[in-house]
Amino acid sequence: LAKTTQPISMDSYEGQEVNITCSHNNIATNDYITWYQQFPSQGPRFIIQGYKTKVTNEVASLFIPADRKSSTLSLPRVSLSDTAVYYCLVGGVNRDDKIIFGKGTRLHILP
Amino acid sequence: DSGVTQTPKHLITATGQRVTLRCSPRSGDLSVYWYQQSLDQGLQFLIQYYNGEERAKGNILERFSAQQFPDLHSELNLSSLELGDSALYFCASSRAGGTRDEQFFGPGTRLTVL
Repeated sequence: LAKTTQPISMDSYEGQEVNITCSHNNIATNDYITWYQQFPSQGPRFIIQGYKTKVTNEVASLFIPADRKSSTLSLPRVSLSDTAVYYCLVGGVNRDDKIIFGKGTRLHILP
Repeated sequence: DSGVTQTPKHLITATGQRVTLRCSPRSGDLSVYWYQQSLDQGLQFLIQYYNGEERAKGNILERFSAQQFPDLHSELNLSSLELGDSALYFCASSRAGGTRDEQFFGPGTRLTVL
């Protein structure tokens, strides 16, 4: 399972666009990139998943370059309620793979 | 509401004791995962079950064990508890159990060991 590296923390202001980058140099051909969001004392929640190029849903966009060695989660026009920990997870369909969430990126949105 | 239920919500016990945490997955999900999250720490993957069988093992201590029953609910048993076992324990479930599958997390069980 590919190891991921994310910034430990980030600060931003309400209304700004926030980009969180995850490095995964050893990503395998069949691996997908998934992002989760976790609020304090709650379980993580799926945000978005992608394999290549760009994926967009109602809450975020995910940009994946051609070499797939990194990915960027983009949160448009953040609000105070987007303050949370964001985890990047890389994995495929192999059910024997361990799950590695790591420590994630602690995003703090300021008014 | 993710559809994953965990009981109890809170558990306070003493060192050396044994506790059992219970998880019921979403309807139709075959895979169950257990995680431990200590204060200000990331999620530590403990173990995964798929349709009753152990599928993947993470950083699970020998004092901990788990199982998934025929009705697909799962239990995590923690024994000889130590102060450092105090944490939030999350259960998650997914349809098929691959690492790319979306996991749905329960509300967690907060364990306090005194």
